[in-house]
Amino acid sequence: DAGVIQSPRHEVTEMGQEVTLRCKPISGHNSLFWYRQTMMRGLELLIYFNNNVPIDDSGMPEDRFSAKMPNASFSTLKIQPSEPRDSAVYFCASGRDRNYEQYFGPGTRLTVT
Amino acid sequence: GIQVEQSPPDLILQEGANSTLRCNFSDSVNNLQWFHQNPWGQLINLFYIPSGTKQNGRLSATTVATERYSLLYISSSQTTDSGVYFCAVEYSGNTPLVFGKGTRLSVIA
Repeated sequence: DAGVIQSPRHEVTEMGQEVTLRCKPISGHNSLFWYRQTMMRGLELLIYFNNNVPIDDSGMPEDRFSAKMPNASFSTLKIQPSEPRDSAVYFCASGRDRNYEQYFGPGTRLTVT
Repeated sequence: GIQVEQSPPDLILQEGANSTLRCNFSDSVNNLQWFHQNPWGQLINLFYIPSGTKQNGRLSATTVATERYSLLYISSSQTTDSGVYFCAVEYSGNTPLVFGKGTRLSVIA
């Protein structure tokens, strides 16, 4: 199995631009999670999908952030417009179900200048 | 509130030494995982261990759910063990996976 796949691995953009991060979960997993890691706040959950439906988006910082999961093998996290404080590593993880083991992708390192 | 406390925050070991990392949590758990974040930033699953004991090579973990703690043992440490070790807990009641602040391990040759 290829594991969780994320793209791009690195993204550098200017403030105000739209950023789209992509994730392909492990085949057969029906839970998908987006996390953000910063030095100040550590690892924090942004949003969780189960069977392609958003279940908990309480961690999404503000309306500039949106996430979709149009099918079982693809999810996007979009930031529009981006701000320098959005600079972080964004991880996608998937699991067989909510209370089961989660597997993380390699992350996308986002830098907003 | 929901807490996951890890200790020690930092640890420096000579290659070949053994170590124990601790994770304390504050309530009943559905899920407890240990991760290793290597120097390249990858989060690698070590153990899924809401209770009991597991071993994988030089690593082993024990979770005593009734006493609200988990331990990660690293034996005969190697320089490739360096990185940050995270404990993450999902409490009963469908709360999200909560990460501790990690233990930063440096193994020197």
